[in-house]
Amino acid sequence: NAGVTQTPKFQVLKTGQSMTLQCAQDMNHEYMSWYRQDPGMGLRLIHYSVGAGITDQGEVPNGYNVSRSTTEDFPLRLLSAAPSQTSVYFCASSRRDFNQPQHFGDGTRLSIL
Amino acid sequence: GENVEQHPSTLSVQEGDSAVIKCTYSDSASNYFPWYKQELGKRPQLIIDIRSNVGEKKDQRIAVTLNKTAKHFSLHITETQPEDSAVYFCAASGPGAGSYQLTFGKGTKLSVIP
Repeated sequence: NAGVTQTPKFQVLKTGQSMTLQCAQDMNHEYMSWYRQDPGMGLRLIHYSVGAGITDQGEVPNGYNVSRSTTEDFPLRLLSAAPSQTSVYFCASSRRDFNQPQHFGDGTRLSIL
Repeated sequence: GENVEQHPSTLSVQEGDSAVIKCTYSDSASNYFPWYKQELGKRPQLIIDIRSNVGEKKDQRIAVTLNKTAKHFSLHITETQPEDSAVYFCAASGPGAGSYQLTFGKGTKLSVIP
């Protein structure tokens, strides 16, 4: 199993551009989530999904969209990139049962100029 | 919502000494407390977790203790080694729908000095 796969690993954007960060998992996990990690801030939840067709907002959802059309994939879209969105983005997945360990991808390092 | 405070933010220990990292949480309904280790440029990796029906859990040199009354939990690393150097994050989540949402502390950078 590959686990949680994120692409791309690095990306540089200009302010106002849009892009999609990809996340795929092959563990048949129902729960998937996106976090951003900024220096000194820990990991903050952006959006999450408990299954195909179901998404919800986390702590810092503004400026990001998600959709979940399949169990495997959970893309994160930046509609109009801003410098404040410069961060490292991690996707995670887990079984839907309560209090299950979350498995993280390798992250996408995103810079907005 | 849940709030998790983590202390200290940085910690330096001599190789072979013990390291302790403490976290407090605000939501008394939280019942799952994982710890993640993140090496520089890598993904967070789960190293140990504890559920609220357990007061202590050990895995070789790593242990976690939970005090639900005081709403705090701690990570203990004994006989530290240079490869333990990393950033450690605590997290908490609650029952029901909230169990999917982990709230993280801001991290502790542990440096083990050879």
